[in-house]
Amino acid sequence: EAGVTQSPTHLIKTRGQQATLRCSPISGHTSVYWYQQALGLGLQFLLWYDEGEERNRGNFPPRFSGRQFPNYSSELNVNALELEDSALYLCASSLARASGNTIYFGEGSWLTVV
Amino acid sequence: QKEVEQNSGPLSVPEGAIASLNCTYSDRVSQSFFWYRQYSGKSPELIMSIYSNGDKEDGRFTAQLNKASQYVSLLIRDSQPSDSATYLCALVPRSGGSQGNLIFGKGTKLSVKP
Repeated sequence: EAGVTQSPTHLIKTRGQQATLRCSPISGHTSVYWYQQALGLGLQFLLWYDEGEERNRGNFPPRFSGRQFPNYSSELNVNALELEDSALYLCASSLARASGNTIYFGEGSWLTVV
Repeated sequence: QKEVEQNSGPLSVPEGAIASLNCTYSDRVSQSFFWYRQYSGKSPELIMSIYSNGDKEDGRFTAQLNKASQYVSLLIRDSQPSDSATYLCALVPRSGGSQGNLIFGKGTKLSVKP
C-alpha cells in the first residue's frame, strides 16, 4: 500500500514568489495535516483538513493557505515567499481525526527561498 | 507555557545501555500520546502510541504514561548506534482550538556511541 506521497521533493523559489506543494494521503485516509520544520526547529502545525474542510490552522500568517480536494489530496500554497519560509514541509494523513488515530508522514518537500 | 516540552539533548548513551527520553505536557485532558523517531533529513516515523496510564512495550521500546503527573517517557533497551536520531513526543490536545491535530515537542537528540 502506498504511503503519503508529496511533490515536489525539492523546490527553489525567489523571495516574493509563490510556492505550491502537493500531498496525496494514504488510501482511505480523509484527514490531511501540514507541518513546517525549519532548520533546528520542531514541527510547527500549519493546517488540518478533513473531508474537504479546513478544521484548524496553526499560528501562521494568511499567506499560508491550502485546500483539500474531493479525492482527499491536498495542496499547500505559500504566497509572497520570505527567506524564513525555507523549511521542510511535511504532509501527514490519518483516518478521520488524529485523536486515537495514528498519523503517517510523507517524505516532505524541501522549500528553499533565495 | 509550551504544550509539549522535551529536553533537546543531546543525550549520549553507550551501545547496549538503556536510553530514557522524557516529555511533559500542559494539556490535562490530552488522551493520545505518540513517540516519533526522525533521522536527520528524513520525515518522522511512528514508534509507539500510548493512551492509558502505565507501560506499553514493543520490542526494545517501552512507553510510559502518567497522566496525573503529565509526563510520558520512552525507554530504549539495548540501545544501538542505529537508534541515533531525534525522538519527538506528540499528543493530540483536547482543549482549546487544537483538537484533532498532533502537537509536537521539539525533540530530544539521542546519540548511541559504539
